Amino acid sequence: KQEVTQIPAALSVPEGENLVLNCSFTDSAIYNLQWFRQDPGKGLTSLLLIQSSQREQTSGRLNASLDKSSGRSTLYIAASQPGDSATYLCAVRAGIQGAQKLVFGQGTRLTINP
Amino acid sequence: KAGVTQTPRYLIKTRGQQVTLSCSPISGHRSVSWYQQTPGQGLQFLFEYFSETQRNKGNFPGRFSGRQFSNSRSEMNVSTLELGDSALYLCASTYLGGSGEKLFFGSGTQLSVL
Repeated sequence: KQEVTQIPAALSVPEGENLVLNCSFTDSAIYNLQWFRQDPGKGLTSLLLIQSSQREQTSGRLNASLDKSSGRSTLYIAASQPGDSATYLCAVRAGIQGAQKLVFGQGTRLTINP
Repeated sequence: KAGVTQTPRYLIKTRGQQVTLSCSPISGHRSVSWYQQTPGQGLQFLFEYFSETQRNKGNFPGRFSGRQFSNSRSEMNVSTLELGDSALYLCASTYLGGSGEKLFFGSGTQLSVL
């Protein structure tokens, strides 16, 4: 059974710092991995999608890496801003062809202090 | 393009009642998936529909059901509500592009069971 773990559960840093969020998964047989952002009481916004054959994806100040063999992914946020404050979730798509589903981690609640 | 629309935004029900939640995906997206989010369990997959057919189902009791219409709109139904069904229910529609399947989430329906 695929399990996804995110550490730390919460993180508070001053504005301007670079930071790394971690995600680990137990079964390396994944289809892809996706990082999402969730603001309080809202839905999820997709940030980056990494296919199983890829090593990393970048979008603006965000960079996500994937190491399937070790079951790990990291989300790097450069020059953090107060607007980056949110909960960040990673999810892996896994399962047999035609019956895949997303398995989510519990998320990291990020606070950027001005 | 309009985003994923979920209605209603908030719902209060009592134990034993049933409830129907609605989701309208982004125009052109044929896949809709549903998730339950609670503070204790996090985000859990309920089911996924593609072209009116249920393609995959999570580990929820039979009280949870869904369907998809020919216009891709989807509904989920929960019968005989229990206190533990209180949660944020999220719907996502899927875009299949060159970089893989990307999910777009609605803002969710916050269900409170009293």
